[in-house]
Amino acid sequence: GNSVTQMEGPVTLSEEAFLTINCTYTATGYPSLFWYVQYPGEGLQLLLKATKADDKGSNKGFEATYRKETTSFHLEKGSVQVSDSAVYFCALSRTGTASKLTFGTGTRLQVTL
Amino acid sequence: NAGVTQTPKFQVLKTGQSMTLQCAQDMNHEYMSWYRQDPGMGLRLIHYSVGAGITDQGEVPNGYNVSRSTTEDFPLRLLSAAPSQTSVYFCASTARGEAFFGQGTRLTVV
Repeated sequence: GNSVTQMEGPVTLSEEAFLTINCTYTATGYPSLFWYVQYPGEGLQLLLKATKADDKGSNKGFEATYRKETTSFHLEKGSVQVSDSAVYFCALSRTGTASKLTFGTGTRLQVTL
Repeated sequence: NAGVTQTPKFQVLKTGQSMTLQCAQDMNHEYMSWYRQDPGMGLRLIHYSVGAGITDQGEVPNGYNVSRSTTEDFPLRLLSAAPSQTSVYFCASTARGEAFFGQGTRLTVV
C-alpha cells in the first residue's frame, strides 16, 4: 500500500537558519506529492505540490523536488522566520485529484528569535 | 470566502451517544473527504465522496457513516461513540488536485 515517512520532530531552529524536513514515500506508479502546513488551531493548508518526477514545487520561500529515484520529496527553506512555526505534513495521492491523501505523521517546526 | 465550514468546533460525547459532524463547502467541488488526526499518526482517511450520491470507504471507516445528498454537504455520523473515536476530525473538499480543509472538530468521547 501507500505510505509516507517523515522525519521525527520537533525541529527547533533559530530565525534565518536553513530548514530541511525529510520525506520519503512508498507507492506504485506515479503519485502526486504534497506538503501541507498546519498553523496552531487551524486546518491544513496546501504549501506546495509536484505531480511528476523532477518537478519542483515552491511557495513562500519553501521548495521541494519530486525525486523518483530516491522516492523523496524533502522540504527546504533557506531562511526560516518565526512565522513559519507550524506542523508540516508530507502527503501523496495516487488519484491525481487529491481526494484520497496519504499523510505522513507530521513534523513540528519551532523557530525562535 | 467561506470555503469549507465544519461544525461544531468542539464536542464532548458520552460513550454510546450518537452525533453528526457537519461539513459544508461553497466552492462547488465534486470531491469531499473526512479525515481524523491523531497524535503521532498524521491524518487518516475515513470516508470520501466523488459526487452527490456517491461515497466510499477510506482507511479507517469503522464506526462512521456518511451520505452525500448534495454537492455542498458531507456529514459524518457516529452511531455509537467510543473512546477510540476521540480525535480531531477534518473535512476537505478537492478540486484541480488541491484539497481545501476545514478548521476541524475536536471530539472527546468519555
